[in-house]
Amino acid sequence: GQQVMQIPQYQHVQEGEDFTTYCNSSTTLSNIQWYKQRPGGHPVFLIQLVKSGEVKKQKRLTFQFGEAKKNSSLHITATQTTDVGTYFCAGLAKTSYDKVIFGPGTSLSVIP
Amino acid sequence: DSGVTQTPKHLITATGQRVTLRCSPRSGDLSVYWYQQSLDQGLQFLIQYYNGEERAKGNILERFSAQQFPDLHSELNLSSLELGDSALYFCASSVAPGPLDYGYTFGSGTRLTVV
Repeated sequence: GQQVMQIPQYQHVQEGEDFTTYCNSSTTLSNIQWYKQRPGGHPVFLIQLVKSGEVKKQKRLTFQFGEAKKNSSLHITATQTTDVGTYFCAGLAKTSYDKVIFGPGTSLSVIP
Repeated sequence: DSGVTQTPKHLITATGQRVTLRCSPRSGDLSVYWYQQSLDQGLQFLIQYYNGEERAKGNILERFSAQQFPDLHSELNLSSLELGDSALYFCASSVAPGPLDYGYTFGSGTRLTVV
């Protein structure tokens, strides 16, 4: 079945450093979404990418969708303590109807 | 407040018991999704309903069942509970059958502890 992997599993950065998490799918995706879950909270939708090679920015966050629509990345520039949390990618495969499959997440810690 | 309401927030029960988790989707949303989040498993998709009908099924155990009622709220029933069923259970909703540009809206979750 479809699998969505993320690396790294954990990342500790000094405040002000950059951070990147990578998402890879075993199958071609129709779209990919990114969510953020703060410690003790629930996942919150950040963005959706649909087009091959698409790049979207939200302030310090840059999201990319690979040309083959099988991978994606989230890059945070100059991390802040408010960026702490787990970042999940979630892929919708072309063959999986409406079922979005979440990656295992990357847990980000920011050291002040 | 995301607009998706889940009750109860916490539940402690014994092995072998049965519990019901409740979810009210955000106003206007017709789709409800159930996810299980364990420490070592991430977010596991269980089941989806759209406007009262089952739409997609994930890795949902036979001991688990769900339904969506005419008022669109949904219930997840977990029976013959085992220690391994201890987890956070999230409900999410969306307007359409599939995720659109605004993704899924998650509730705050129900933390189930089986002792």
